[in-house]
Amino acid sequence: DGGITQSPKYLFRKEGQNVTLSCEQNLNHDAMYWYRQDPGQGLRLIYYSQIVNDFQKGDIAEGYSVSREKKESFPLTVTSAQKNPTAFYLCASSIALAGGHGELFFGEGSRLTVL
Amino acid sequence: SQKIEQNSEALNIQEGKTATLTCNYTNYSPAYLQWYRQDPGRGPVFLLLIRENEKEKRKERLKVTFDTTLKQSLFHITASQPADSATYLCAPRSNDYKLSFGAGTTVTVRA
Repeated sequence: DGGITQSPKYLFRKEGQNVTLSCEQNLNHDAMYWYRQDPGQGLRLIYYSQIVNDFQKGDIAEGYSVSREKKESFPLTVTSAQKNPTAFYLCASSIALAGGHGELFFGEGSRLTVL
Repeated sequence: SQKIEQNSEALNIQEGKTATLTCNYTNYSPAYLQWYRQDPGRGPVFLLLIRENEKEKRKERLKVTFDTTLKQSLFHITASQPADSATYLCAPRSNDYKLSFGAGTTVTVRA
């Protein structure tokens, strides 16, 4: 079935460690996104990518890095520089960034806990 | 800065009643606005889109209105059912095509 797969679903990390969250889509979408969700807050955009080998910072990019080497893959690295990394991370994709409905398809999320 | 506000209080309603959720936005003029449903521990799922030139949109028991003068969208769930219990997120599209999300309103429908 077509969709977005995030892994791992749960991840524990010690302070000072980098961790990479995986996001793969087989929807043939050009645009991909990473959002962070904290209790009582809306989804906040970390990074987004409109096309392979290109990505832009969102509203809260500090302490995060991404790559887009393949159309179907958009991994997110949470670095040790991120001060409050414990959160629920959501990956999404859409046909394109601009135009059309812009409907986002989300993965099931990855919950990161820093011990 | 751009701001999106949804009902801050959770909504508890009796089965069969209509739930009305509010989404207010400031400092931008979205060309369209989307509504999503999110169940606990899961990713949001798209429900409806309404464009700036549409006053109202319906899909089964869902109805959305969009008032660009008031900078507000209302989301109605009619004949509510316990299965409608979830958090509902509004997402106006910003001028640079990115979707920004409100914090959501949690709806609980009692049988």
